[in-house]
Amino acid sequence: NAGVTQTPKFRVLKTGQSMTLLCAQDMNHEYMYWYRQDPGMGLRLIHYSVGEGTTAKGEVPDGYNVSRLKKQNFLLGLESAAPSQTSVYFCASSYHLAGGYEQYFGPGTRLTVT
Amino acid sequence: LAKTTQPISMDSYEGQEVNITCSHNNIATNDYITWYQQFPSQGPRFIIQGYKTKVTNEVASLFIPADRKSSTLSLPRVSLSDTAVYYCLVGDLMILTGGGNKLTFGTGTQLKVEL
Repeated sequence: NAGVTQTPKFRVLKTGQSMTLLCAQDMNHEYMYWYRQDPGMGLRLIHYSVGEGTTAKGEVPDGYNVSRLKKQNFLLGLESAAPSQTSVYFCASSYHLAGGYEQYFGPGTRLTVT
Repeated sequence: LAKTTQPISMDSYEGQEVNITCSHNNIATNDYITWYQQFPSQGPRFIIQGYKTKVTNEVASLFIPADRKSSTLSLPRVSLSDTAVYYCLVGDLMILTGGGNKLTFGTGTQLKVEL
């Protein structure tokens, strides 16, 4: 099992450009999450999904959109990138909704917006 | 929503027991407490989770007092490979409640283990 994979690993964008981050999991988990982690800080939840075709907002959803067209994939989109979105983005998945259950994290995508 | 507070850093030596405490004074009834370990350039990795009292697994113990306003992660006999950032996570997601849902990761405790 590959677990949770993220594509790409690194990306540099110019302000105003768009991009999509792809997260894939092969554990048949219902629940998937996108977090961002800024230097010296903990992870903050951007959006999450409780199943194929459903998404919900987390703590910091502004400037991001998500889609879950297939159970194994969770996409995070930036329509018009801003320097404030420079961060490391982590995707995670879990068998149960994450409050009390183990989340499996991907290796992260390091995004720089200039 | 529960805010968590952890020590910024801790130092230890190989073979010692390390206890890291997380404060979460506003923890809600439905909130669970989960601890994660993170190495540089990697995603966090689950260590242990609990709701109340004591939980033990093969790598750690989690102590939660009756009032649940704090929790302590205990790592027995640490080694150099335990050098990492440890996060306390408190929360419970509500399904499709319209936004603002969050799982509150603390700022983390940088544990450094030396010989």
